[in-house]
Amino acid sequence: SQQGEEDPQALSIQEGENATMNCSYKTSINNLQWYRQNSGRGLVHLILIRSNEREKHSGRLRVTLDTSKKSSSLLITASRAADTASYFCATGDTGRRALTFGSGTRLQVQP
Amino acid sequence: NAGVMQNPRHLVRRRGQEARLRCSPMKGHSHVYWYRQLPEEGLKFMVYLQKENIIDESGMPKERFSAEFPKEGPSILRIQQVVRGDSAAYFCASSSPTASSGSTDTQYFGPGTRLTVL
Repeated sequence: SQQGEEDPQALSIQEGENATMNCSYKTSINNLQWYRQNSGRGLVHLILIRSNEREKHSGRLRVTLDTSKKSSSLLITASRAADTASYFCATGDTGRRALTFGSGTRLQVQP
Repeated sequence: NAGVMQNPRHLVRRRGQEARLRCSPMKGHSHVYWYRQLPEEGLKFMVYLQKENIIDESGMPKERFSAEFPKEGPSILRIQQVVRGDSAAYFCASSSPTASSGSTDTQYFGPGTRLTVL
């Protein structure tokens, strides 16, 4: 798989349900970030988790990081129709400032 | 505090013309990044600049593409002699260097410029 590969590629759930998206990567990282992109718009930064952290919360978002498995997950609890968007993980690789993005998970929350 | 600004938001060019994309970073940010996004794909890094310096251009195509971030004014991504394959959304991001050298800071993205080459 590619660096920062998300799984699943697409996810459709009902409002109120939880949504879980996974991300795998290959290189050594300083941190991993999650972004949201509404259709045809720019990216909104959601959360950053550093390589020495295992879990982080922000509102309805919960992010985990397992550096031994080179994977991360993003959980959105009690989803809302407004959460409909594409979600990307991006790794901050060791020694570089550039972000490496995955191909994204397209989340559809049905009202 | 205004966010990252990009203009134009939409740009249409004919094959062979030049495209100039502008990016003004957030106030106080001195690091600028350019990314390209093809339809239904993630963003691909192109170039990272600080004022008057190109720091990392490992993602830039070898020909026709150039970028600058002058001492005064916005960062410019320039594409010469555009081809249809250049059609994409081009995003600029900026950051404030709070982390140590070689570490990634949180990057804040602009709304993007959607380039269409006819």
